[in-house]
Amino acid sequence: AQSVTQLDSQVPVFEEAPVELRCNYSSSVSVYLFWYVQYPNQGLQLLLKYLSGSTLVKGINGFEAEFNKSQTSFHLRKPSVHISDTAEYFCAVSEWERGSYKYIFGTGTRLKVLA
Amino acid sequence: DAGVIQSPRHEVTEMGQEVTLRCKPISGHNSLFWYRQTMMRGLELLIYFNNNVPIDDSGMPEDRFSAKMPNASFSTLKIQPSEPRDSAVYFCASSLRTSGTGELFFGEGSRLTVL
Repeated sequence: AQSVTQLDSQVPVFEEAPVELRCNYSSSVSVYLFWYVQYPNQGLQLLLKYLSGSTLVKGINGFEAEFNKSQTSFHLRKPSVHISDTAEYFCAVSEWERGSYKYIFGTGTRLKVLA
Repeated sequence: DAGVIQSPRHEVTEMGQEVTLRCKPISGHNSLFWYRQTMMRGLELLIYFNNNVPIDDSGMPEDRFSAKMPNASFSTLKIQPSEPRDSAVYFCASSLRTSGTGELFFGEGSRLTVL
């Protein structure tokens, strides 16, 4: 079964500084990878996804992620963060099982943007 | 378009009582997922359905938990009897495609507190 590891449970960063949130997954024949964001008291929303093609994926709110097959990583980056980016971020992978796909999430990284 | 609708948003109950959480997926979506979120365990997949059929319920904690999807527009997650350790936020999510590339759309969650 697939697994997803988010190495940092919390990341504090000052406003306008760059940030990288790390994600590693267990290897598989084919992998679909996702990043979701959760604002307080809300459900998760899709930030971006990697399906195939270019390894650099751009998402909403200025975020991007790079798929690295050799390192089985899918790190999320933003060159300059805002206070409004304070939220929890989840990396996820989809896994084929019994004729259907299911989605496995990492434990999340809480991003705290400081003024 | 209405998103995934969950009810109730908040539920406070006493140990031993039955709890029923409800979910209405987005119209036309053919996959539905139930997740549980806690500080200790993060986001756990409990069960998922494809075309109303349960595919994998291995994440259901124990026999006290049950889930049904009687039709394409409605699903329930029931806990009977409830225990304090069941306190968590329960999310329902739906997806249009079963290819693993589709986006998961989450409801706002049902926050359950068992006293």
